[in-house]
Amino acid sequence: GEDVEQSLFLSVREGDSSVINCTYTDSSSTYLYWYKQEPGAGLQLLTYIFSNMDMKQDQRLTVLLNKKDKHLSLRIADTQTGDSAIYFCAESREVVGYSTLTFGKGTMLLVSP
Amino acid sequence: DAGVTQSPTHLIKTRGQQVTLRCSPKSGHDTVSWYQQALGQGPQFIFQYYEEEERQRGNFPDRFSGHQFPNYSSELNVNALLLGDSALYLCASSSYQETQYFGPGTRLLVL
Repeated sequence: GEDVEQSLFLSVREGDSSVINCTYTDSSSTYLYWYKQEPGAGLQLLTYIFSNMDMKQDQRLTVLLNKKDKHLSLRIADTQTGDSAIYFCAESREVVGYSTLTFGKGTMLLVSP
Repeated sequence: DAGVTQSPTHLIKTRGQQVTLRCSPKSGHDTVSWYQQALGQGPQFIFQYYEEEERQRGNFPDRFSGHQFPNYSSELNVNALLLGDSALYLCASSSYQETQYFGPGTRLLVL
């Protein structure tokens, strides 16, 4: 099965909060990431959390990590139409200071006016 | 400070041909990783280069090969192209214990 799983689609109205969920399987992951991809573009790093943290807040973004359940979530407050994109969760597998990323299939967020 | 750059942006090839994609890392980064993103999928790790050597490799056939130059830039080569190689190819750069930053990608279409 997939190492990283995400729901495929989320639709919200402008001004609402969005919550995108992710589950991962590798308990040795040191960092967990959220990337954003707009149509036809590469990946933009949004935020990340170290595995010994429970929560990280960065302006409108809040990341919650439940290490026991291997569950990660990204909350976007006051969602705007410009937030419409595909959001990827990724876990980092680190060996001697360098890492490779394993991604989920992405969650498409559609924000309607 | 230039970010990660990739060339070309788009490429069309036919089955059986060979292709070379290029990546220049972010200033200060010495490690380059390549990922393949098929349509509707998340990126899949191909391999990673450091000090001009392949340090780690994902589950990709030997048709996929790479190179890193002394200035840390990198190339991805794919031989004997298949239709299934059509994808967005992403390059990411990083340095020791640092986050990976991605370039805009090269979109390859194999006909």
